[in-house]
Amino acid sequence: GDSVTQMEGPVTLSEEAFLTINCTYTATGYPSLFWYVQYPGEGLQLLLKATKADDKGSNKGFEATYRKETTSFHLEKGSVQVSDSAVYFCALQGDDKIIFGKGTRLHILP
Amino acid sequence: DTEVTQTPKHLVMGMTNKKSLKCEQHMGHRAMYWYKQKAKKPPELMFVYSYEKLSINESVPSRFSPECPNSSLLNLHLHALQPEDSALYLCASSQVERGPNSPLHFGNGTRLTVT
Repeated sequence: GDSVTQMEGPVTLSEEAFLTINCTYTATGYPSLFWYVQYPGEGLQLLLKATKADDKGSNKGFEATYRKETTSFHLEKGSVQVSDSAVYFCALQGDDKIIFGKGTRLHILP
Repeated sequence: DTEVTQTPKHLVMGMTNKKSLKCEQHMGHRAMYWYKQKAKKPPELMFVYSYEKLSINESVPSRFSPECPNSSLLNLHLHALQPEDSALYLCASSQVERGPNSPLHFGNGTRLTVT
């Protein structure tokens, strides 16, 4: 069945550092891919999405490119802020329900 | 601000109580979802309603009973819960149940504690 694998956390970075959170997937067909973010005490928010190969999703300085050849959708940001501290979930939707990765907790130190 | 509103934010209930969680959205979405999230875990799907009809029940125990009175409202009725049911319960909606441009919109959840 479909699955999502993302890097284990927690990830701790200093403010203004470069961020990469790896996400790879297994799916039949051509799924849509998403990154969701969950801030403390809140629900999940859609951060960005890509619906087909080579699409780049972007929002709030974050980017991810749908790479079919490597089945990846890595999340990147050039300069993180303390306010980016949260849990990040990679997700895919194929023909069935949305599948979430286990989540990566990100801590940004001032 | 989230466009999916959940009440209450916190709920403490005994194992013999009956309570309900409520969810409301006014985005015109036709699919609504209940998820359960334990600490440091991803959300787990419980139920999906599509066009006000139950579409998916992920083998959830009968002590959880969903209800969709209309296209904007979703309830989760709780009865005789167990302490292990303590979790964050998230409601979500999407334009349609499945589709590449139909991401989930989540509420901020109800933090449930069963004593």
